[in-house]
Amino acid sequence: GAGVSQTPSNKVTEKGKYVELRCDPISGHTALYWYRQSLGQGPEFLIYFQGTGAADDSGLPNDRFFAVRPEGSVSTLKIQRTERGDSAVYLCASSLSSGTGPNEQFFGPGTRLTVL
Amino acid sequence: GQQVMQIPQYQHVQEGEDFTTYCNSSTTLSNIQWYKQRPGGHPVFLIQLVKSGEVKKQKRLTFQFGEAKKNSSLHITATQTTDVGTYFCAGYKGNSGYSTLTFGKGTMLLVSP
Repeated sequence: GAGVSQTPSNKVTEKGKYVELRCDPISGHTALYWYRQSLGQGPEFLIYFQGTGAADDSGLPNDRFFAVRPEGSVSTLKIQRTERGDSAVYLCASSLSSGTGPNEQFFGPGTRLTVL
Repeated sequence: GQQVMQIPQYQHVQEGEDFTTYCNSSTTLSNIQWYKQRPGGHPVFLIQLVKSGEVKKQKRLTFQFGEAKKNSSLHITATQTTDVGTYFCAGYKGNSGYSTLTFGKGTMLLVSP
């Protein structure tokens, strides 16, 4: 595709349920990022993949959050035992890899997660 | 941890007026990026600054990186209604090659015709 895609666009779930959010990055982008954005805030870093491996997962708030990228392309963010505080827009971004620092990140449209 | 602060949080201008948003980091940055997010949209990359004291221009937008590489600014000359949105700076600190950015809270710009 032409850009980063994310599915679903909206997800409503009940407290305690498990959810999976999917990100399909731009073809050829080896770097993939997950962010969480709450109203009135900037994107908050969650995890960064370089290829298949999580290069930096320091932003994951707790062990209920987990992400995978098994083939180095599509990534899935998994949230267990969801809480109302998890409600936010989850953004995925991808970029060309660089060993000298960050490149331009291309963001997807996001998944709006609402936990009732 | 690294903190990136932006001021003002919000600004409302009349079309044709100038606008400036400021970004300050608690630590020295390797580089800084700026993004624009339209209402209901996602962040879109504007520019990256790398060198101390660097100034870059994109039409009516002027970006500066401070000499100490701890602050940056975005100035828009003669705003237009198409400039409406939230402008974020995002700082990169590490030298490990890991590409993690810390975003500020953004400055929301509203332009009245």
